[in-house]
Amino acid sequence: AQSVTQLGSHVSVSEGALVLLRCNYSSSVPPYLFWYVQYPNQGLQLLLKYTSAATLVKGINGFEAEFKKSETSFHLTKPSAHMSDAAEYFCAVSGWGGKLIFGQGTELSVKP
Amino acid sequence: DGGITQSPKYLFRKEGQNVTLSCEQNLNHDAMYWYRQDPGQGLRLIYYSQIVNDFQKGDIAEGYSVSREKKESFPLTVTSAQKNPTAFYLCASSTSGMTSGRSNEQFFGPGTRLTVL
Repeated sequence: AQSVTQLGSHVSVSEGALVLLRCNYSSSVPPYLFWYVQYPNQGLQLLLKYTSAATLVKGINGFEAEFKKSETSFHLTKPSAHMSDAAEYFCAVSGWGGKLIFGQGTELSVKP
Repeated sequence: DGGITQSPKYLFRKEGQNVTLSCEQNLNHDAMYWYRQDPGQGLRLIYYSQIVNDFQKGDIAEGYSVSREKKESFPLTVTSAQKNPTAFYLCASSTSGMTSGRSNEQFFGPGTRLTVL
């Protein structure tokens, strides 16, 4: 079975500071992992995905994530936060049949 | 432009009424999904369909029904049996839902916000 835990339902950073959103997964098979972003009252947009090709994955809007098998983690980072990064972020692991199992989400606030 | 459309964006329902949420995609995707989103609970899978004329229950299917008569369309009906239907509903699709599809990302529509009056 697969599951995802996102540590911290709310993260607040200052503009220009490092963004770190934490995601730990559990999977009985080699995992495929995803990060999505959701702006208020909108659908989800894919930021990046890990499909075993490389452990450091670069995505859109300057985000990247590193797959660490020993730590069962897939944390999302961005070196310098922008006001436009304020949104909710979801980590997900792929289950059987292409289903996605989502974490609870982390709301990112960016202070000026 | 290819994508997923959901309508309406906002929907109000009276107690005891059935309502149908529309989801259409022109991405030529085989698999389609319906999720329910509540604050602080992430996304929960209601139903999914890996191919036309076939669909399976997700984690919270009670009080919902779907059909998949066309590849492009996957409407969701919220029935009066659903006791707490007020939520944000998201439709998604992906290229394949079968065993080879685990690495395929899902593409999401803009969502429908349903409110029970």
